[in-house]
Amino acid sequence: AQTVTQSQPEMSVQEAETVTLSCTYDTSESDYYLFWYKQPPSRQMILVIRQEAYKQQNATENRFSVNFQKAAKSFSLKISDSQLGDAAMYFCAYRSPNTGNQFYFGTGTSLTVIP
Amino acid sequence: DAGVIQSPRHEVTEMGQEVTLRCKPISGHNSLFWYRQTMMRGLELLIYFNNNVPIDDSGMPEDRFSAKMPNASFSTLKIQPSEPRDSAVYFCASSSRLAGKGEQYFGPGTRLTVT
Repeated sequence: AQTVTQSQPEMSVQEAETVTLSCTYDTSESDYYLFWYKQPPSRQMILVIRQEAYKQQNATENRFSVNFQKAAKSFSLKISDSQLGDAAMYFCAYRSPNTGNQFYFGTGTSLTVIP
Repeated sequence: DAGVIQSPRHEVTEMGQEVTLRCKPISGHNSLFWYRQTMMRGLELLIYFNNNVPIDDSGMPEDRFSAKMPNASFSTLKIQPSEPRDSAVYFCASSSRLAGKGEQYFGPGTRLTVT
């Protein structure tokens, strides 16, 4: 089974600064999807950004961007101009197209934004 | 689109009682997932369905847990009898291979407390 590793249980960033959250995964597949989800204190899981493995171009969504390194099996999330509302738990996820749509989630990184 | 709907949002019950959690996936989605989230164990996949058929239930903790999906628009997760260690937030999520990149959309969760 695929595994997703988030090695940073907690991170903090000053408001307006940039922070990068790390994620690595283990797979033998060549085609797959990667996601970052945000879970604020409300507990609602919110999709932040997605990346298709066949695309070399890194995905961006406003202040959120990824650094996708397929050979290194790395998928980090960069948050620019951090805002207080970015404080949340962030989960990295891997979706295999070959195992019936199953997702594999990392253990999460808790992000604190310091005013 | 109403999103994934879960009920109840909160449930408090006594040990030994039966608990039924309900989920209505997004219309047109063909995959449905049940997760459990606790501080100790993080986000755990319990079971998932494709086209109403259970594909992988290896995450179901024990025989006290059962899940059904009688049709494409409804699923239940039942715990009988419930125990205090079942206290957690239970999420339902749905996705579609055909729409977008197959990302999962989560419901708001059911917070279960077993006393």
